[in-house]
Amino acid sequence: AQSVTQPDIHITVSEGASLELRCNYSYGATPYLFWYVQSPGQGLQLLLKYFSGDTLVQGIKGFEAEFKRSQSSFNLRKPSVHWSDAAEYFCAVGTPGAGSYQLTFGKGTKLSVIP
Amino acid sequence: DSGVTQTPKHLITATGQRVTLRCSPRSGDLSVYWYQQSLDQGLQFLIHYYNGEERAKGNILERFSAQQFPDLHSELNLSSLELGDSALYFCASSVVKGGGTDTQYFGPGTRLTVL
Repeated sequence: AQSVTQPDIHITVSEGASLELRCNYSYGATPYLFWYVQSPGQGLQLLLKYFSGDTLVQGIKGFEAEFKRSQSSFNLRKPSVHWSDAAEYFCAVGTPGAGSYQLTFGKGTKLSVIP
Repeated sequence: DSGVTQTPKHLITATGQRVTLRCSPRSGDLSVYWYQQSLDQGLQFLIHYYNGEERAKGNILERFSAQQFPDLHSELNLSSLELGDSALYFCASSVVKGGGTDTQYFGPGTRLTVL
């Protein structure tokens, strides 16, 4: 069965510093990978997705992620964090099945930003 | 704003009661997915409907049921509620194109509190 691991439960960075959130997946076939962000009291917003092609994908709000098949990873990065980036970040793998398509999520990484 | 709407935003009820959560997908989306987000289990897939038909079930309890109506809105019915059912319930919608390259867009969620 597919699974997603986000090793860091909570990360604190200073505003302006770079950020990397880790995500490892377990899936037997070619994965479809996503990063979502959840601000307090809000729903999930899609940051970026990887289906195929270029392994470095660009998303909204200046985020990017790199798919590394050999490491089963899809880490999220941002060169300079803003205070508004404080939120919880979820990595997910999409698993197409017969007539359906489900997302399996990691437990999330909570990001705190210090001014 | 993802275009997916959910009502109500908050729901407080007592154990043993039954509630109905409503979701309206984005215009043109035929698929509706329900997820439960709880502190101990994280984000878990419950059920998927496509154009009125059930397509897949995840970790959905027998006390829970869902349906999708001809106008494509969906309702999640939770009965015989227990304290452990307190959670944030998300609806997501997508256009299922097949091939697995589908993106799910999430609503703001309904926070259910069972007292």
